[in-house]
Amino acid sequence: EVQVVQSGAEVRKPGESLKISCKSEGHSYSKYWIGWVRQMPGKGLEWMGIISSESESKYSPAFQGQVTISVDKSISTASLQWSNSLKASDSAKYYCTFGGGWLITVWGQGTLVTVSP
Amino acid sequence: EIVLTQSPGTLSVSPGEGATLSCRASQSVPRNYLAWFQQRPGQAPSLLIFDASSRATGIPDRFSGSGSGTDFTLTISRLEPEDFAVYYCQQYATSPNNFGQGTKLEIK
Repeated sequence: EVQVVQSGAEVRKPGESLKISCKSEGHSYSKYWIGWVRQMPGKGLEWMGIISSESESKYSPAFQGQVTISVDKSISTASLQWSNSLKASDSAKYYCTFGGGWLITVWGQGTLVTVSP
Repeated sequence: EIVLTQSPGTLSVSPGEGATLSCRASQSVPRNYLAWFQQRPGQAPSLLIFDASSRATGIPDRFSGSGSGTDFTLTISRLEPEDFAVYYCQQYATSPNNFGQGTKLEIK
């Protein structure tokens, strides 16, 4: 089974940029679809978007234009990025997900993002 | 987009008993591409059921999924202490792949 390791917790100020990442251990990214899910404190799961094994990305309307999902297959690393746009409301735990298609079969441990003045 | 509504919000059940969780979609889920995830406190979610009724690898047969179209059910029999968690349904047929709001299964 794919083992997914996400980057560590981050603290940023509003308006700053951030890129968080996840890496699979011992598996090629060439056949996986990689997604991101947000969980705000004490709340449920929100599907943010996904990037296919062909590097085509799809976003939820709620997150379209707010974040960028990318993958660098040469280093088996996927990323979720905010560009000069972080808000306090982006404070949450972000999970990286893997699957052979749209179905999520493996979850990372989550990356906690705190945005505070 | 397909909106999923889970009920009840919280379910109180005694260990050893069974539980039935519901997930209703705002429109028919194509190919019954509906999954159930379990999230224990402080942990990442994990896949239980996919394609509405297929158990993921390693999931005990106490967990079963059923339903089609717009109405889906997760049934857990003989509840064990580790089963008390939050359960989410998700459709992965059409983008955005929305989750339901979750059902918290708590010890009575």
